[in-house]
Amino acid sequence: GEDVEQSLFLSVREGDSSVINCTYTDSSSTYLYWYKQEPGAGLQLLTYIFSNMDMKQDQRLTVLLNKKDKHLSLRIADTQTGDSAIYFCAGADRGSTLGRLYFGRGTQLTVWP
Amino acid sequence: DSGVTQTPKHLITATGQRVTLRCSPRSGDLSVYWYQQSLDQGLQFLIQYYNGEERAKGNILERFSAQQFPDLHSELNLSSLELGDSALYFCASSVGLTEETQYFGPGTRLLVL
Repeated sequence: GEDVEQSLFLSVREGDSSVINCTYTDSSSTYLYWYKQEPGAGLQLLTYIFSNMDMKQDQRLTVLLNKKDKHLSLRIADTQTGDSAIYFCAGADRGSTLGRLYFGRGTQLTVWP
Repeated sequence: DSGVTQTPKHLITATGQRVTLRCSPRSGDLSVYWYQQSLDQGLQFLIQYYNGEERAKGNILERFSAQQFPDLHSELNLSSLELGDSALYFCASSVGLTEETQYFGPGTRLLVL
């Protein structure tokens, strides 16, 4: 299986960039995902990256993948108060026929005005 | 809106009781996954169904069972409920069996008193 580790908290000021980090153990994951969970809400898929990519940019979001160090990061540019939420990193078990996701504990992002 | 629906949104019940959670996947998705989110365990994969058949099991208790019906909706049955079963239960769906992005429903919050 996969172990996914994230720092639990991050605070930034509105307008700054946020960087949320994640490390994972299972290099067989073909896809790595970032999900966002707002209070009382479900998990919203933000973005994902293929394991053969180093970087993916999607508007204000930039995902960086360092396969050698098994490190994934999500950068949010020009962070807004509406970005305050819990962000989950997840890897998919592609080593077998299973499609389950392994989640980190989530990083609580707080954006101060 | 992910297109995945879950009912009910909230459920309050007593220990020893049995409840059924319902999930309708996105149109066209054949796979349904169930996850449990609790404060102590984080997000844990429970079980996956694909086109009506069970395909993978995770940390699902024997007191819990699930099924996927011919119309592809799924139900998660939780019986002999204990206080520790209080959690947020998410359903997710994807198009295929593996290598597919999962989209999550809003969840059912279960409180066992």
